[in-house]
Amino acid sequence: DSGVTQTPKHLITATGQRVTLRCSPRSGDLSVYWYQQSLDQGLQFLIQYYNGEERAKGNILERFSAQQFPDLHSELNLSSLELGDSALYFCASSVGRGTYNEQFFGPGTRLTVL
Amino acid sequence: DAKTTQPNSMESNEEEPVHLPCNHSTISGTDYIHWYRQLPSQGPEYVIHGLTSNVNNRMASLAIAEDRKSSTLILHRATLRDAAVYYCILKSGYGGSQGNLIFGKGTKLSVKP
Repeated sequence: DSGVTQTPKHLITATGQRVTLRCSPRSGDLSVYWYQQSLDQGLQFLIQYYNGEERAKGNILERFSAQQFPDLHSELNLSSLELGDSALYFCASSVGRGTYNEQFFGPGTRLTVL
Repeated sequence: DAKTTQPNSMESNEEEPVHLPCNHSTISGTDYIHWYRQLPSQGPEYVIHGLTSNVNNRMASLAIAEDRKSSTLILHRATLRDAAVYYCILKSGYGGSQGNLIFGKGTKLSVKP
């Protein structure tokens, strides 16, 4: 158990819909990262927040957005869903900004878009 | 962050040592070498990281070549639970750099009983 929790574990929805994935970092960790893992693209970094502020952006689509709240939990919002958005979404956390610190990953949310 | 090259797959027997290689010929002086692994149906898990000297922890050892252009992750006695995809990742140690990990395809390790 990494100490990072993600809800829900599974999500099945239809194209065009909007969903919210939630992540609670390890106690004391200030950074939250979101990654997407699909069969064809592998593990890809989406976005990082550090202490409530966006710190780094990766291959995140405009239809996707995220935020980190004052209690440090984070949410990833996916809208206008397409079949290709079906993937595993992982959240990770680290103590600092991430330069030196190891990242702890949650169990993931499996999103299926029908 | 510089690129790494790993074999697609490797096989090992249970209770034998495993040496997982990684080439990173374009590594820069401030790049740290990180290893993560992903067990089936789980999120990635930190294994070890180092800069220049060899490193040991409870999970594994990391041997870094003198010129730092390659490294080897060593599992001293493979168990069935070590069957996973192992990722070798370079991360800049520059303070202003981004903290995210850039994953390649990794090496899929199979462990035979």
